[in-house]
Amino acid sequence: DMKVTQMPRYLIKRMGENVLLECGQDMSHETMYWYRQDPGLGLQLIYISYDVDSNSEGDIPKGYRVSRKKREHFSLILDSAKTNQTSVYFCASSLHRANTEVFFGKGTRLTVV
Amino acid sequence: GQQVQQSPASLVLQEGENAELQCNFSSTATQLQWFYQSPGGSLVSLLSNPSGTKHTGRLTSTTVTKERRSSLHISSSQTTDSGTYLCAIDKLSGSFNKLTFGAGTRLAVCP
Repeated sequence: DMKVTQMPRYLIKRMGENVLLECGQDMSHETMYWYRQDPGLGLQLIYISYDVDSNSEGDIPKGYRVSRKKREHFSLILDSAKTNQTSVYFCASSLHRANTEVFFGKGTRLTVV
Repeated sequence: GQQVQQSPASLVLQEGENAELQCNFSSTATQLQWFYQSPGGSLVSLLSNPSGTKHTGRLTSTTVTKERRSSLHISSSQTTDSGTYLCAIDKLSGSFNKLTFGAGTRLAVCP
């Protein structure tokens, strides 16, 4: 069963705390993504990873960093979370970097208070 | 400006009616995908259609690459079709592609 799994699904953190969002995929996909979705803004790309330790900034990388030490795992880290990072975060993966279908996880709803 | 524009922004149908959703994009797209987002938030890929016409179940997507537009036709709509439909393009940007999403069409199908 091909899937992208995100943990946790819901998270509440205080401003200034560190946040770790985890993502896994069981399809041996090369490319993985982190997006955030906000009302009125749609989905915005934060980071892309092309393979282990091969990451590139997306459109809104400020305030975030990522880690990919294994092909099947891609983590999003918020060092000292801010209230404007309250959002729904989606992880996704695709077989290759170009022209292949993208699969999404179910999302993590993060609230920073 | 916005690179992917979807219309209409929202649509209300009676069960059984057909829906036509539009996606226009301003950049050359090497890939185009239609997604369904349920009211609970999960995204599911419906169709991957960079050009031509594709069918799956009650869904038909037609993409005219030269005219930078795609449509998603939903036939015989059901209440379970309610949700948001997102169009996304994968445009060549430097050495990699990035999905760029439209704002979506929110569909409500009434019994």
